[in-house]
Formats: sequence, C-alpha cells, structure tokens
Amino acid sequence: GENVEQHPSTLSVQEGDSAVIKCTYSDSASNYFPWYKQELGKRPQLIIDIRSNVGEKKDQRIAVTLNKTAKHFSLHITETQPEDSAVYFCAASNEGTSGTYKYIFGTGTRLKVLA
Amino acid sequence: DAGITQSPRHKVTETGTPVTLRCHQTENHRYMYWYRQDPGHGLRLIHYSYGVKDTDKGEVSDGYSVSRSKTEDFLLTLESATSSQTSVYFCAIGGGPGNTIYFGEGSWLTVV
Repeated sequence: GENVEQHPSTLSVQEGDSAVIKCTYSDSASNYFPWYKQELGKRPQLIIDIRSNVGEKKDQRIAVTLNKTAKHFSLHITETQPEDSAVYFCAASNEGTSGTYKYIFGTGTRLKVLA
Repeated sequence: DAGITQSPRHKVTETGTPVTLRCHQTENHRYMYWYRQDPGHGLRLIHYSYGVKDTDKGEVSDGYSVSRSKTEDFLLTLESATSSQTSVYFCAIGGGPGNTIYFGEGSWLTVV
C-alpha cells in the first residue's frame, strides 16, 4: 500500500537559520501533498499544501517543493523563530477505488528552534 | 475550527471493555477519517468513510470497527479494548480531489 517516509525525525536549528524536512511517497498516483504543524497537546493544523501540477509553492517564510519524478517533496522554513518549534507531518493523497481518498502521513519531524 | 467535535475527549477504560468514540461534524463533508497517533509512528489511518454507510479500512484497522449512519457522525468502536490501543485518536473531515483534511481536537484513550 501507500507509504510515506519522512526525514529527519528530529531537527534542531539556531534561530534565524533555515530548516528543511523531506518526504518520499511510494504511490506514483499521489497528487496532493499537505503539510501539518502540531504543537504539544494540540491538533495537527495545515500550514501549506501542494498539488501535483505545481513544482513549488511559497507562503511567507514557508515553502514546499515537489519532484514527481523522484516522488519526493520537501518543506522549507526560512528565518526560523522559536514559535516554529513543533512537530511537522507530511502527507500524500490520491484517488482510490470508488472515488475514495486516503491521506497517508509520514512519521513526523520534531523541530526545535534554539534561541 | 472546521466544525468538528470529538467525544469523549479523555477516557480511561479497562482491558476487555468496549469503547466508542464519536466524531461529529457540522460541515456536511462527504469524507471522514479516524487516525491514531503514537510516538514514533505519526498519524496512522484506522478507517475512513466516503459517505453514509460507506466505509473502508486503513493501515491499522485490526481491533476497530466504524459506523456512519448519518452524514454528521462517524463512530469508532473498540470491541474489546487492549493496552496496545492506548493512544490519541483524531478524527478528520474534508478530503476529496486535491482537498485537505481538518482534524478534531483529539480523544485521549487510556486502556488499563
């Protein structure tokens, strides 16, 4: 079945530096790739997403890139701030049988921004 | 927050007892999902629904059943709870072609 691998599992950066989280998916039919941020004790919340017909998308300090050929996508956070500290999840989705849509998640990256 | 409510939010139960978690939405979304979250495993899909009475299994469906008798409610049942089912359970709604899913606040379940 569909599998999403996410690396690294933990990432520590100095405040102001950039952070990059990478994900690889197995199903070439995947066509939608959201990223979620989860703070301690809270629900995961969408921060950015990208569709398969787009190679890159940016929203202020965060950006996502997609390489369909290699089946991987990455989250880039620039000028990191302490409030960026959280767990980040990538996910992949595609249309299955009967028009159903499953969302398979990576195992998460715990980002620590050191002041 | 996306009109999604989970209940109960916290529950402690004994091994072998049945447990039902409820997800209620006010958004009229076709798709609803149940995930469990455990350290080192991220978010794993248990079951999902793509319409009333239409459900399918996810990655970790053993020991769980679901029902969706109306659009608003998606129930997750642990027929006989085990300690390995101690987890945080998240319901999500939304989905469809190129659409995102939105999570509820989570239900913390402890099986002792």
